[in-house]
Amino acid sequence: GAGVSQSPRYKVAKRGQDVALRCDPISGHVSLFWYQQALGQGPEFLTYFQNEAQLDKSGLPSDRFFAERPEGSVSTLKIQRTQQEDSAVYLCASSLGRISNQPQHFGDGTRLSIL
Amino acid sequence: GDSVTQMEGPVTLSEEAFLTINCTYTATGYPSLFWYVQYPGEGLQLLLKATKADDKGSNKGFEATYRKETTSFHLEKGSVQVSDSAVYFCALTNYGQNFVFGPGTRLSVLP
Repeated sequence: GAGVSQSPRYKVAKRGQDVALRCDPISGHVSLFWYQQALGQGPEFLTYFQNEAQLDKSGLPSDRFFAERPEGSVSTLKIQRTQQEDSAVYLCASSLGRISNQPQHFGDGTRLSIL
Repeated sequence: GDSVTQMEGPVTLSEEAFLTINCTYTATGYPSLFWYVQYPGEGLQLLLKATKADDKGSNKGFEATYRKETTSFHLEKGSVQVSDSAVYFCALTNYGQNFVFGPGTRLSVLP
């Protein structure tokens, strides 16, 4: 497809379970970003990849959050031992180049609900 | 650190009314500024951008001018439509830094 694709669209998990969220960026896009969007709030930065290199993970809220992009295309955000405060929409975005003032193209997000 | 402030919503207007959504920012250097729109159940879509002072971004009848003297990037549209109902996010990025988003402003346009 032409846009950023995220799966699943919805994920419900019990507290303590591990979850994995997938992002397929636009083909050829070098930069990939993950954001967490709480209800009624703007996206909050989690982590950034340039190709396969994770250049910034300063926004990850705890060591339970882990992201990877092993081949420089598809990325996975993993949350271990989920807690209720992890409930949010997780957005993935990609952009063409390395310079971050280029527009980011967003996927529709994964809505994660922790029971 | 860098930050973005937006007027609180929700903003409710009648169709064909004039729209202004205020956005101000705090940042070092010379950030690039963006407006994104989020329709229900969808991800964010780029609406317009401006990369330097006095630039005007425009798209789909929306406009915003980068005002460095007032650190503002207010979104305007002369005549809103019901289909413009969405949440609007102001955002900035500094070269080499990550995007910082405002909290969003929900717009509801009534027929």
